[in-house]
Amino acid sequence: DGGITQSPKYLFRKEGQNVTLSCEQNLNHDAMYWYRQDPGQGLRLIYYSQIVNDFQKGDIAEGYSVSREKKESFPLTVTSAQKNPTAFYLCASRNRTASYGYTFGSGTRLTVV
Amino acid sequence: DAKTTQPTSMDCAEGRAANLPCNHSTISGNEYVYWYRQIHSQGPQYIIHGLKNNETNEMASLIITEDRKSSTLILPHATLRDTAVYYCIVRVGVGGSYIPTFGRGTSLIVHP
Repeated sequence: DGGITQSPKYLFRKEGQNVTLSCEQNLNHDAMYWYRQDPGQGLRLIYYSQIVNDFQKGDIAEGYSVSREKKESFPLTVTSAQKNPTAFYLCASRNRTASYGYTFGSGTRLTVV
Repeated sequence: DAKTTQPTSMDCAEGRAANLPCNHSTISGNEYVYWYRQIHSQGPQYIIHGLKNNETNEMASLIITEDRKSSTLILPHATLRDTAVYYCIVRVGVGGSYIPTFGRGTSLIVHP
């Protein structure tokens, strides 16, 4: 079955370390997105990519970086510059030529220890 | 970009219909209404979407008012597993670079 996979599900990081969250989709979707969710809050957009080798900053891009070298993959790196990285991270994808909406991954919960 | 307004929380008895409202008074003619739900610690799940006609699928029904300024998501026979946060968003259906906003949604609690 087609879908979007995020790994790992839980991730622990020491302060000052960079960490990369994986997001892979086999839906042949053009666009991919990274969101951050804090407890009791909605989703805030970090980065998005509408096409391979192109990506745009979202509302809270500071302290994060991404790449889009392949259509299927959109990894997110949480750098040491991100002051409060503990959160739930969600990846999503969308087929821009269809009217149906986003497909989300199951999320990665990052905790800084 | 059209904004949506939803109640913060609602509750419903198991087996009864859950009716979740959403206001989107600034919706444009080419914007669709989408509904998602998020069960705790999981990614949001697509439920249904519509443009102007009422829609029904195996999960829910979507009722859109004639002026399209509001809509209601109906879960006809709510179960305990329907307890989740429900998001209503509006966006252009095809193409475009519009990125919808997922606010706090409506927290639905289904009780026995």
